[in-house]
Amino acid sequence: DIQMTQSPSSLSASVGDRVTIACRASQSISDYLNWYQQKPGKAPELLIFAASSLQSGVPSRFSGSGSGTDFTLTISSLQPEDFAIYYCQQSYSIPITFGPGTRLEIK
Amino acid sequence: EVQLVESGGGLVKPGGSLRLSCAASGFSFSAYAMNWVRQAPGKGLEWVSSITGSSAYVYYADSLKGRFTISRDNAKNSLYLQLNSLRADDTAVYYCTREDADGDYNWFDPWGQGTLVTVSS
Repeated sequence: DIQMTQSPSSLSASVGDRVTIACRASQSISDYLNWYQQKPGKAPELLIFAASSLQSGVPSRFSGSGSGTDFTLTISSLQPEDFAIYYCQQSYSIPITFGPGTRLEIK
Repeated sequence: EVQLVESGGGLVKPGGSLRLSCAASGFSFSAYAMNWVRQAPGKGLEWVSSITGSSAYVYYADSLKGRFTISRDNAKNSLYLQLNSLRADDTAVYYCTREDADGDYNWFDPWGQGTLVTVSS
C-alpha cells in the first residue's frame, strides 16, 4: 500500500497569509494526487485533482504542485472561510489512501 | 444538480449488520464508478470500497477482510454497502462519493453528507 504523509499536522495562520501544506507519498505516484478541504461537520470537497488542476468553482488562490513523491498545496492569501482540514489522496493504485490531514487554524 | 444522499446508518451491536444506501441524482449514474469512504470520530478519511459503473469490478480495503459488500442498482440510481460482523472500530461516518475521471486520472467529487454508523453494546 502507498502511505501518504502530510506536514505540518496543524498550522496557525492569519487572514491574508500565504500558506503551504506538504504531502509525501511512500513511492512515486507521478501526478495522481488530489487535495480535499473539509470543514467541521461537513463532507470533504475537492480542491485540486491530478496534482495541479483546479476544480471548477474553487477560488484561484488555491494551487497545487508536485510530481513523483512530493506535493504541495498553496493558498496564496488566506480567507476566513479557508480555515479547515486539508487532505491529500493518491489515486495511483488500489487501495486508495489519504494523508492524515493538516488542520489550518486561525492565529 | 448532482446530489448524493446516504441513509441507513444507526446504532448497532457488535457482531450485527447494517445496510447503507446512497441515492444519486443529477447525473448518469451508470456511467460512473462509485466509492464509500469512512471517517471515524475525530479521525481522518479512510477509503472503504469501490465499484465500477457496470458492477464488473469491485475493490475493498484490505482491513475489511470480507465483512463489507458493495453493490449498486443502476435502475434505481442507488449505491449500497452491506456491513456485517460489525466491530466498535467500524464506528464512523460513511460517505458515498462519485469517482470522476479524465483519462487515467480520477478523483472523488461530489460527496454525500454522510451517514453515521455507531457500533456499541
